[in-house]
Amino acid sequence: DAGITQSPRHKVTETGTPVTLRCHQTENHRYMYWYRQDPGHGLRLIHYSYGVKDTDKGEVSDGYSVSRSKTEDFLLTLESATSSQTSVYFCAISEGGGRANVLTFGAGSRLTVL
Amino acid sequence: KNQVEQSPQSLIILEGKNCTLQCNYTVSPFSNLRWYKQDTGRGPVSLTIMTFSENTKSNGRYTATLDADTKQSSLHITASQLSDSASYICVVSPYSSASKIIFGSGTRLSIRP
Repeated sequence: DAGITQSPRHKVTETGTPVTLRCHQTENHRYMYWYRQDPGHGLRLIHYSYGVKDTDKGEVSDGYSVSRSKTEDFLLTLESATSSQTSVYFCAISEGGGRANVLTFGAGSRLTVL
Repeated sequence: KNQVEQSPQSLIILEGKNCTLQCNYTVSPFSNLRWYKQDTGRGPVSLTIMTFSENTKSNGRYTATLDADTKQSSLHITASQLSDSASYICVVSPYSSASKIIFGSGTRLSIRP
């Protein structure tokens, strides 16, 4: 997990409240990604960024927004959390967006929405 | 729909034994196939990466094979250790975009002493 820090690592919140997860990298990589991991599912892409202020939607983007104002920080926001957003969220980085670039993952943020 | 299927879902073996994990995919064409190891409470870590033209890649006691004709890959672990207890995830990258990579749901491997 060297070079990527996710915060908070654990959070419990109530339905309808806003939540922001932060991903911070020290590798100066251009690409950053947010995934969610649920039992029985592979990691699914929520949003990704290919540069400062450049973001795009992934497979499961509904209910989530992102922002990237600096190379090192990528924020994931749940405007109004729902129980279906209870999950483990992983941030990942890669040097480029090319097919051969390996993703490096953070340690994950476990979110529980009651 | 592109899919990556892994089997078995879970596996328990004794320390020192060998095991093989399977990955079948329908992504076609594809650029590369990767195996990741995910320890409990941690993020996935890359073990191997193979392009469509490669059919084997080793990383210590881990050996991945790829048959692009049958769209199958396997991860063989030799002389298992307790530290091998983890989930192993097969990941396939289609040509279309790096943001479209597809993750399998993983095989949970438990090594018993």
